[in-house]
Amino acid sequence: RKEVEQDPGPFNVPEGATVAFNCTYSNSASQSFFWYRQDCRKEPKLLMSVYSSGNEDGRFTAQLNRASQYISLLIRDSKLSDSATYLCVVNGVTGGGNKLTFGTGTQLKVEL
Amino acid sequence: GAVVSQHPSWVICKSGTSVKIECRSLDFQATTMFWYRQFPKQSLMLMATSNEGSKATYEQGVEKDKFLINHASLTLSTLTVTSAHPEDSSFYICSARDRPDLVPQYFGPGTRLTVT
Repeated sequence: RKEVEQDPGPFNVPEGATVAFNCTYSNSASQSFFWYRQDCRKEPKLLMSVYSSGNEDGRFTAQLNRASQYISLLIRDSKLSDSATYLCVVNGVTGGGNKLTFGTGTQLKVEL
Repeated sequence: GAVVSQHPSWVICKSGTSVKIECRSLDFQATTMFWYRQFPKQSLMLMATSNEGSKATYEQGVEKDKFLINHASLTLSTLTVTSAHPEDSSFYICSARDRPDLVPQYFGPGTRLTVT
């Protein structure tokens, strides 16, 4: 079982749509959680952290369910510029300190 | 925000040659740098963690003699792919942080290596 699992997509949605991505992680000791965005042939960029209480940043809402080891990202009013791959990222502590584990990403294509 | 640069952005080399990739933190001192590799349609996989002034810690399955990492200063880490082969062709990304407890890390723009 992969440490972080995501549906690879692609999700093709019309502009203005609401779309949700899910992610599950296997290590119950994981400490912090993030969504990153990665554009084609570019480095990942932090979109938002994810908290158990749920958090919102503009059109983006993230949720964490520790009991189910499940993370979600909701994008409202999709824009063409939201087209990218969204990476679910989990942070755990190893002997060497914090270590990020990446999911394979979910590809989003927003269309006119 | 913090900036991490990588050089070169892309490189094409012949099989059997060695390639060096540089990762620099531009406006902060990076006590720890990370090297990742990403194959097409796959996730970023951590290759190794390097701490300034000490030996790198390699992830399981990564050959330390093939992927040489040097973190000689607080702003520079290098990854040398020795005797490169076509299967080493990948997107190599570095990241850096200035505190051991700090997440998330700052990522460089990546280096695309193609070995012919």
